[in-house]
Amino acid sequence: GENVEQHPSTLSVQEGDSAVIKCTYSDSASNYFPWYKQELGKRPQLIIDIRSNVGEKKDQRIAVTLNKTAKHFSLHITETQPEDSAVYFCAASPRGGYSTLTFGKGTMLLVSP
Amino acid sequence: EAQVTQNPRYLITVTGKKLTVTCSQNMNHEYMSWYRQDPGLGLRQIYYSMNVEVTDKGDVPEGYKVSRKEKRNFPLILESPSPNQTSLYFCASSLGSGAYEQYFGPGTRLTVT
Repeated sequence: GENVEQHPSTLSVQEGDSAVIKCTYSDSASNYFPWYKQELGKRPQLIIDIRSNVGEKKDQRIAVTLNKTAKHFSLHITETQPEDSAVYFCAASPRGGYSTLTFGKGTMLLVSP
Repeated sequence: EAQVTQNPRYLITVTGKKLTVTCSQNMNHEYMSWYRQDPGLGLRQIYYSMNVEVTDKGDVPEGYKVSRKEKRNFPLILESPSPNQTSLYFCASSLGSGAYEQYFGPGTRLTVT
């Protein structure tokens, strides 16, 4: 089955800096890569996703890049703000009607004012 | 309002006392899933369901049961809870499996003593 590795496990940045979280996956059949944000005490929520026919996707201050050859994808957050502090999970899903999401172990991002 | 609900939100129980955590969604989603979240281990899938009467094991199914008799409900059953099942549990639903946004419930914090 799919295996997703996520790094780093914790990341501390100053407000206004950029943050990058990286994930690798094992199943070359995976073609959907979402990122979820989980604020303290709350449920995970989708913030951005990318599919294998696209190399990069942006949504305001967040972007995701995908390198299918190397089997890795990354989340980039620019101009970080304290409200970006949360745990971020990457995930991967193979194609097919009976596929499920496999999550990475998560990255705790701390943005200091 | 489109939502996934779980009950109870908090539960403290003793070893061996059967319990059920309910999950319900009002979005007519076909796919539903249960995850457990433990520090440092991320979100691990317990069971999932592609549709009514169709369920399958995830990565950590031991000690759990599920059923899907109606499309909207997907209860998680612990027939004989043990302390290693102390965890934060999330139910999630989506339009389909794989490449669809998963909507998470608010979580159930379970402690087994």
